[in-house]
Amino acid sequence: GAVVSQHPSWVICKSGTSVKIECRSLDFQATTMFWYRQFPKQSLMLMATSNEGSKATYEQGVEKDKFLINHASLTLSTLTVTSAHPEDSSFYICSARAEGAYNEQFFGPGTRLTVL
Amino acid sequence: AQSVTQLGSHVSVSEGALVLLRCNYSSSVPPYLFWYVQYPNQGLQLLLKYTTGATLVKGINGFEAEFKKSETSFHLTKPSAHMSDAAEYFCAVSKSGGYQKVTFGTGTKLQVIP
Repeated sequence: GAVVSQHPSWVICKSGTSVKIECRSLDFQATTMFWYRQFPKQSLMLMATSNEGSKATYEQGVEKDKFLINHASLTLSTLTVTSAHPEDSSFYICSARAEGAYNEQFFGPGTRLTVL
Repeated sequence: AQSVTQLGSHVSVSEGALVLLRCNYSSSVPPYLFWYVQYPNQGLQLLLKYTTGATLVKGINGFEAEFKKSETSFHLTKPSAHMSDAAEYFCAVSKSGGYQKVTFGTGTKLQVIP
């Protein structure tokens, strides 16, 4: 149980284009989903927290107009990187928290984004 | 605010030897503490967590950790390393209570030498 999937697992795009990453909880309802960014050999940096049906809460320094998050259902959240640039290249990981699961998060396998 | 310090970005052990990964935390309130493992190009998998109760916590794959409030530590141990344990390990902390943000340490890469 508690499986989270991400799609795609990797993506390469040209500078200036937008990329959408999906995060799905496969066997539970995720009231809260988190989006992290991980640079090589570094820890996870929380980008934003999204609750189903409401606007995402972004961490300080994260551009909400650049990283659009939608959490339209209890099993799906999407992160759209708009007008991507090479500096946006990174490993993006989502996690999901079930109702009543308090602080335990279940992580997706991550998406490797490379912007040329 | 909470924070986590992982001592040693790289740790090497021989197969069969004791694994000890160090984690110290800072929290103004009673913390919840976690250890996660990450294999290359994968997400994080929860190894174990401490919330309340017994301070010695047992997790998956033979790992355990002990919450020591006096030392503000939550070190991860395994009596005998296996080749499959080679991965990146992250310690994390959050405030106690429901739905608190989790803060991750910088990670420790464990190498197991045959």
